[in-house]
Amino acid sequence: QVQLVESGGGVVQPGRSLRLSCAASAFTFSNSGMHWVRQAPGKGLEWVAVISSDGSHKYYADSVKGRFTISRDNSRNTLYLQMNSLRVEDTAVYYCAGDMDVWGKGTTVTVSS
Amino acid sequence: IQLTQSPSILSTSVGDRVTITCRASQGISSSLAWFQQKPGKAPELLIYAASTLQSGVPSRFSGSGSGTEFTLTISSLQPEDFATYYCLQNNSYPFTFGQGTPLEIK
Repeated sequence: QVQLVESGGGVVQPGRSLRLSCAASAFTFSNSGMHWVRQAPGKGLEWVAVISSDGSHKYYADSVKGRFTISRDNSRNTLYLQMNSLRVEDTAVYYCAGDMDVWGKGTTVTVSS
Repeated sequence: IQLTQSPSILSTSVGDRVTITCRASQGISSSLAWFQQKPGKAPELLIYAASTLQSGVPSRFSGSGSGTEFTLTISSLQPEDFATYYCLQNNSYPFTFGQGTPLEIK
């Protein structure tokens, strides 16, 4: 069945980097705009970034602009989120979503010293 | 674009008709979606383009509105509907979510 699986989360110190991945299966990945959405503990949903189907257009939330980079490899059906200069407030569950109608289960990022 | 949902929390009962409102800080045409999220789970798309029901979503869910005011209605609340509901504007980047409306059992 259609599946998105995130990986790469973990515990990291402030100022360090982390790269998340989202692997797609049984899903028309190369035709879909792909998003990252996050949810801090006990908080609501926050849209993070989007990349167009061919990777030519990328947009970011103001809270991550200049620190996070979204990318994709359509040959590998995989979406990425490179997170640099991480802050405590980046602590959240990170979800990938295809066209906002197919979601992964999320991967947890904890930024703590 | 800011989205404000009301009420902030809703205490309700099985069988009730429920309405949640989402107001945008500027006009967004019909570029609004509604999501349901249960604890520990990923969000699920219920409605897109303000009023189009996502495939597989029960017909007791409906959406309406355009411009700056939108509503999600559940015609007769079922036990599995107790969850948190979010609106999302996809009219312009950056996309934004409302703050969420949890439904609680009265």
